[in-house]
Amino acid sequence: ELKVEQNPLFLSMQEGKNYTIYCNYSTTSDRLYWYRQDPGKSLESLFVLLSNGAVKQEGRLMASLDTKARLSTLHITAAVHDLSATYFCAVDNFGNEKLTFGTGTRLTIIP
Amino acid sequence: EAGVAQSPRYKIIEKRQSVAFWCNPISGHATLYWYQQILGQGPKLLIQFQNNGVVDDSQLPKDRFSAERLKGVDSTLKIQPAKLEDSAVYLCASSLDGRINYGYTFGSGTRLTVV
Repeated sequence: ELKVEQNPLFLSMQEGKNYTIYCNYSTTSDRLYWYRQDPGKSLESLFVLLSNGAVKQEGRLMASLDTKARLSTLHITAAVHDLSATYFCAVDNFGNEKLTFGTGTRLTIIP
Repeated sequence: EAGVAQSPRYKIIEKRQSVAFWCNPISGHATLYWYQQILGQGPKLLIQFQNNGVVDDSQLPKDRFSAERLKGVDSTLKIQPAKLEDSAVYLCASSLDGRINYGYTFGSGTRLTVV
């Protein structure tokens, strides 16, 4: 059974600081996704990582994928309040075109 | 393009009652998914449709949950009878042809509270 773990589960950080969210998964997959969810809202796609070594950046967020280590990171640079949300990683389950989600990281940016 | 539409947005029912949720995917999207998201957890797949056929319903509690997708477009998810532990947000998602390279689009979800 594919397991996806994120850490930390909760993260409170000051504006302007840098931090990284980690996503580990238990079985071979070369496709990983990052989503953002605001309270009471649906899931917004952030990044789709489709190969080992993939790196994608959008604004203050950068995601990377190491399929050999079964690890993805979401790096936040110079955090701003608007980035406060819950972030989920999700892994394609054995290429079956369906996603297994991590538990999420609730990020709070403090002014 | 219009997004994935879901209704209702909120529903409160008593345990043992029945409830139904509706989803209208993006036009032309062949693959449709229902996910259950319990508070504080990541979404969990309940069922996947390709056109109007079921691809995977291994995580669907079939003794109380049912889903259909008539004519390969709209879908309904039903719970009968509901239990307290069914309280969750039910998310519908669709993709163009099931290939995840194109990504999913999620609807806004239906928040179900069972009391």
